[in-house]
Amino acid sequence: QKEVEQNSGPLSVPEGAIASLNCTYSDRGSQSFFWYRQYSGKSPELIMFIYSNGDKEDGRFTAQLNKASQYVSLLIRDSQPSDSATYLCAVRNSGNTPLVFGKGTRLSVIA
Amino acid sequence: DAGVIQSPRHEVTEMGQEVTLRCKPISGHNSLFWYRQTMMRGLELLIYFNNNVPIDDSGMPEDRFSAKMPNASFSTLKIQPSEPRDSAVYFCASSLAAQGGYTFGSGTRLTVV
Repeated sequence: QKEVEQNSGPLSVPEGAIASLNCTYSDRGSQSFFWYRQYSGKSPELIMFIYSNGDKEDGRFTAQLNKASQYVSLLIRDSQPSDSATYLCAVRNSGNTPLVFGKGTRLSVIA
Repeated sequence: DAGVIQSPRHEVTEMGQEVTLRCKPISGHNSLFWYRQTMMRGLELLIYFNNNVPIDDSGMPEDRFSAKMPNASFSTLKIQPSEPRDSAVYFCASSLAAQGGYTFGSGTRLTVV
């Protein structure tokens, strides 16, 4: 059973701080990793994906991957109240096999 | 690009009734996925199609659930008969093979009373 684990939160951070969201996965063969943001009552939307070990930056977002530790994280710099949402980690084994999602971490950015 | 289109947005039905959810994927995407989301279980994959062919339906909870994709631009998920425990948000998503993540539709919130 392929599993993706996330702390459900809520994770509360003050406005302007760095929010750090973490995810672990069980399938060592996993090859691609995705972060989705889901606002309450809305559908998930893709923020970032990462395939290789290390960091990948996109604006205020940085994805970090450590395949040896089976760990992927998302850092949000200069957090804004508009970043308050649930963040879903998703993992894919190979090719076009389906994404396996974690249950998400709820982030609350306090103004 | 109109995105992934799902209908209806909300559905309230009585236990025992048939429910049909509809999805139009993004044009050119050749993979389509049906997920169900609940607070307790998160996003669960029900079934997915590649090039209109069902590949894996092991996530379909029971024989009461069925899905079809008669052509590249349309898919349905049917529940017959519906039960209160089927109440959830059902998402359809599509992707282009070998590309990144999925694009999700706006979802159908199903309530079975």
